[in-house]
Amino acid sequence: QVQLQQSGAELAKPGSSVKISCKASGYTFTSYYISWIKQTTGQGLEYIGYINTGSGGTNYNEKFKGKATLTVDKSSSTAFMQLSSLTPDDSAVYYCARWPIYYYPYFDYWGQGVMVTVSS
Amino acid sequence: DIQMTQSPASLSASLGETVTIECRASEDIYNGLAWYQQKPGKSPQLLIYNANSLHTGVPSRFSGSGSGTQYSLKINSLQSEDVASYFCQQYYNYLTFGSGTKLEIK
Repeated sequence: QVQLQQSGAELAKPGSSVKISCKASGYTFTSYYISWIKQTTGQGLEYIGYINTGSGGTNYNEKFKGKATLTVDKSSSTAFMQLSSLTPDDSAVYYCARWPIYYYPYFDYWGQGVMVTVSS
Repeated sequence: DIQMTQSPASLSASLGETVTIECRASEDIYNGLAWYQQKPGKSPQLLIYNANSLHTGVPSRFSGSGSGTQYSLKINSLQSEDVASYFCQQYYNYLTFGSGTKLEIK
């Protein structure tokens, strides 16, 4: 069955970086983009961007350029998101989700989410 | 950017009732709309895509409709397992989410 298994919760200090992972299984990894979505109580769901799992090409929401860096390791069917220069506003749950390449960007499977807490 | 205005923010209804949640887009999104259900502590799950297509495995009591800038999600015969937050997402022009509707049982 399709699974997107994300890494565990992170506690980070302001100014540091975290790198979270999303390991896919149960389908052909390179047939789907992996997107990342931020969820907070105040701002709701925000789209961060996506990575083409085949080519490694990326597209970012303007708001998250410079904040998020998306990468992929095809050999392990794993996508990564690094968040840099962390501030308390980056505290949120971060989800990975997939959508079929060359199709409309709605998400049929999501990871379980990673809670990132930024605090000194 | 296309803004999605979702209403109501919260909703309380009785078991067996029919409920409707609405999303209004700031411009025509040509049926490029999905609906998700998010149960407490869980990740969102796709219910509807292309405004009115039911995702595989989703109960038929869920339905989507609308066109242009106005879209709605209807839940017939409300069940206890439908307690959740519901979000719309437009994907006609880039990608934005509605602010969510929290559904509770009365």
